[in-house]
Amino acid sequence: EAGVVQSPRYKIIEKKQPVAFWCNPISGHNTLYWYRQNLGQGPELLIRYENEEAVDDSQLPKDRFSAERLKGVDSTLKIQPAELGDSAVYLCASSIRGGLVYNEQFFGPGTRLTVL
Amino acid sequence: DAKTTQPTSMDCAEGRAANLPCNHSTISGNEYVYWYRQIHSQGPQYIIHGLKNNETNEMASLIITEDRKSSTLILPHATLRDTAVYYCIVRVRGFQKLVFGTGTRLLVSP
Repeated sequence: EAGVVQSPRYKIIEKKQPVAFWCNPISGHNTLYWYRQNLGQGPELLIRYENEEAVDDSQLPKDRFSAERLKGVDSTLKIQPAELGDSAVYLCASSIRGGLVYNEQFFGPGTRLTVL
Repeated sequence: DAKTTQPTSMDCAEGRAANLPCNHSTISGNEYVYWYRQIHSQGPQYIIHGLKNNETNEMASLIITEDRKSSTLILPHATLRDTAVYYCIVRVRGFQKLVFGTGTRLLVSP
């Protein structure tokens, strides 16, 4: 079974430029998560999707970050414009929700963003 | 979710047991203890979880104290590939939110 796929793995951009990250979750997983991980810290949730609906985006900086999950499968996270402080690893995870129970999250390898 | 406290780093010799402690003194009755690990340049990986009984799977064993205020993750025969950051998380089972701390950086040496 294929795992969570993310691309690109690495991205270097100059500040004020836009950037986008792509995630393909495990087949059949209806819940998708985007996390941000700063150096030396644990991942922090940015947004969670149930199918195509964003049900928790309270930690997403909405002035510059946006996300979408069209058709409830793949997802894209965008930053526009990027700032120096956005340098981090962006992780995508997916899980199956059965009723009220969320099963374990499976993470992709992440995209390492460097903003110069 | 209850907060957890873990040592910043630990060392272990290859082939020996690695015992990673976690304190969660404010854990609630319906909160489970979960362990994830993150190998360098990879995303976190689920290891094991438990409520109050000790648990074992192909990766590790989880020992939870009777008062549930602390737990220990045991890797019985650590290998170099077990070098990673280990996160102890407490949450209500089935609840979607994972709140990661800074974890324990385990270094397994030859």
